[in-house]
Amino acid sequence: QVTLRESGPALVKPTQTLTLTCTFSGFSFNTNEDCVSWLRQPPGKALEWLAHIDWDDDKFYSSSLKTRLTISKDTSKNQVVLTMTNMDPADTGTYYCARISDGAYALDDWGQGTLVTVSS
Amino acid sequence: YVLTQPPSVSVAPGQTAFIPCEENNIGSESVHWYQQRPGQAPVLVVFSDSDRPSGIPERFSGSNSGNTATLIISRVEAGDEADYYCQVWDSSSAQVVFGGGTKLTVL
Repeated sequence: QVTLRESGPALVKPTQTLTLTCTFSGFSFNTNEDCVSWLRQPPGKALEWLAHIDWDDDKFYSSSLKTRLTISKDTSKNQVVLTMTNMDPADTGTYYCARISDGAYALDDWGQGTLVTVSS
Repeated sequence: YVLTQPPSVSVAPGQTAFIPCEENNIGSESVHWYQQRPGQAPVLVVFSDSDRPSGIPERFSGSNSGNTATLIISRVEAGDEADYYCQVWDSSSAQVVFGGGTKLTVL
């Protein structure tokens, strides 16, 4: 059974850097087409994709946020980490990690999400 | 890529709901659909236009042709009330793209 769990601070101040960790189980992230994505959802708004990292360490970023994002993985710990710099109140929302397991890029499995509030 | 969904769709219980997702030539892409109930994480309900993950009822299906992909929910139940999102992989820009979401209301 595949599980993903997001962890990180619930509250960050404007201009700070956010670091989120996705800890996964049920897959080894070493097979072709395995990817882990990060997404977010502001309160009452639509889903927004942020970034993903492939099994072979290729990284892809949202064009609108790429200057602020860094994604990395530690397969020995079964973790994927996302950092987002220069946080703003508009970045408030629920952040999700999700697994992609095929070349069609469907997000098969999702974590429960973690709410991040940006406020001074 | 901009995937356009109507903000809301309403349907009576037992009827069929059609939720469209529009983009020029979307029929050439593989479209995925997610259900998100209030306060919960999204769940994949249809992938690659019309396939269902294990555990998803057969009432959920999809089609994709021309400029419109459609999520079809047959014999709608009260528990189907949720937000539904379409999604594609835009290979030209290497981006995952979502539609704006459709709120399904069961009357």
